[in-house]
Amino acid sequence: GAVVSQHPSWVICKSGTSVKIECRSLDFQATTMFWYRQFPKQSLMLMATSNEGSKATYEQGVEKDKFLINHASLTLSTLTVTSAHPEDSSFYICSARSGTVSYNEQFFGPGTRLTVL
Amino acid sequence: QKEVEQNSGPLSVPEGAIASLNCTYSDRVSQSFFWYRQYSGKSPELIMSIYSNGDKEDGRFTAQLNKASQYVSLLIRDSQPSDSATYLCAVGNQGGKLIFGQGTELSVKP
Repeated sequence: GAVVSQHPSWVICKSGTSVKIECRSLDFQATTMFWYRQFPKQSLMLMATSNEGSKATYEQGVEKDKFLINHASLTLSTLTVTSAHPEDSSFYICSARSGTVSYNEQFFGPGTRLTVL
Repeated sequence: QKEVEQNSGPLSVPEGAIASLNCTYSDRVSQSFFWYRQYSGKSPELIMSIYSNGDKEDGRFTAQLNKASQYVSLLIRDSQPSDSATYLCAVGNQGGKLIFGQGTELSVKP
């Protein structure tokens, strides 16, 4: 149980284009999903927290107009990187937490590697 | 002071030995603690969670928590080359978020 999928697993795009990444909880309902970014040799950096049916909460320094997050259902959250630039190239990982899981346990998706040319 | 601190390593142990990974945290009111394993190029995988002081064992893995010392550790018995990965310590805060350490790179030599 507690399987989280992400799509696509990797994407290459041109500078200035937008990229959408999907995160799905496959076998549980995720009341909260989290989006992280990880640069090489660094730890995970939380970008935002999204709760189903409400606006995402962004961490300090993360541009909410650039990284659009939608959590339309209990099993799906999307991250759209708008007007992507090479510095946005990174490993984007989502995680999901079920309302029935206590104590902050999060299950991670496989990640999406974004390369902006 | 970082909120969650780990030695970055690399920690090198021979196959069959016990690997000991350590983590300290700064928020005294933290109640949930996790160890994730991350292979290169992959996303983190939850291997242990612990919420109470003491030891928690799962197969070859034992997590140890000491809230008074703000310390959590992970022991891996009978280490295998397949255990070679980066181990991330994560602490849950009251806002429901996980705070990650920088990770410790473990290398198990055959």
